[in-house]
Amino acid sequence: KAGVTQTPRYLIKTRGQQVTLSCSPISGHRSVSWYQQTPGQGLQFLFEYFSETQRNKGNFPGRFSGRQFSNSRSEMNVSTLELGDSALYLCASSLSWPNTEAFFGQGTRLTVV
Amino acid sequence: AQSVTQLGSHVSVSEGALVLLRCNYSSSVPPYLFWYVQYPNQGLQLLLKYTTGATLVKGINGFEAEFKKSETSFHLTKPSAHMSDAAEYFCAVSWATGNQFYFGTGTSLTVIP
Repeated sequence: KAGVTQTPRYLIKTRGQQVTLSCSPISGHRSVSWYQQTPGQGLQFLFEYFSETQRNKGNFPGRFSGRQFSNSRSEMNVSTLELGDSALYLCASSLSWPNTEAFFGQGTRLTVV
Repeated sequence: AQSVTQLGSHVSVSEGALVLLRCNYSSSVPPYLFWYVQYPNQGLQLLLKYTTGATLVKGINGFEAEFKKSETSFHLTKPSAHMSDAAEYFCAVSWATGNQFYFGTGTSLTVIP
């Protein structure tokens, strides 16, 4: 059974640009959540999608957005990148709700220069 | 406000010694409790979880944790540390009302040969 796949693994962008990260959940999982991990702030919740609907959103500016497709794959987009957006972005997929187990991808390392 | 506290951002133990990583949560409603491990440049791997039932839970790689409601704690232990246990460990909670994880700040475990 394939795990959670995040692409790309590494990304370097310039301030002001936008970026799109992709997450393919485990087959059959309908819930996808996104987290930002930084040394200073730790792991912070961005948003969660279930059956193409955003059900929960963390405390991030509107530059951070996401969506989920009918096959449960999810993308997150960050517009007008800032240096502080440099982080490891982790995607987690869950089979059901409430969340009794989440499987994480290896993450996308975003560096903004 | 709900929160998760991990006491000790860095813990060092000798190979073969007991590993004890501490986690406390603050909430009037007992949450679901999780321990995740993260190796460098990797995502999070679930070690163990508590949702309902037996309060002593066993996980992978010889780890176990005990949920103590009266102490609002979920400490992680392993009787004998192995070099391969060196990693970052995160305690996390969630509730039946949502799919969001709240993570502790993490504990970096070093195993000394």
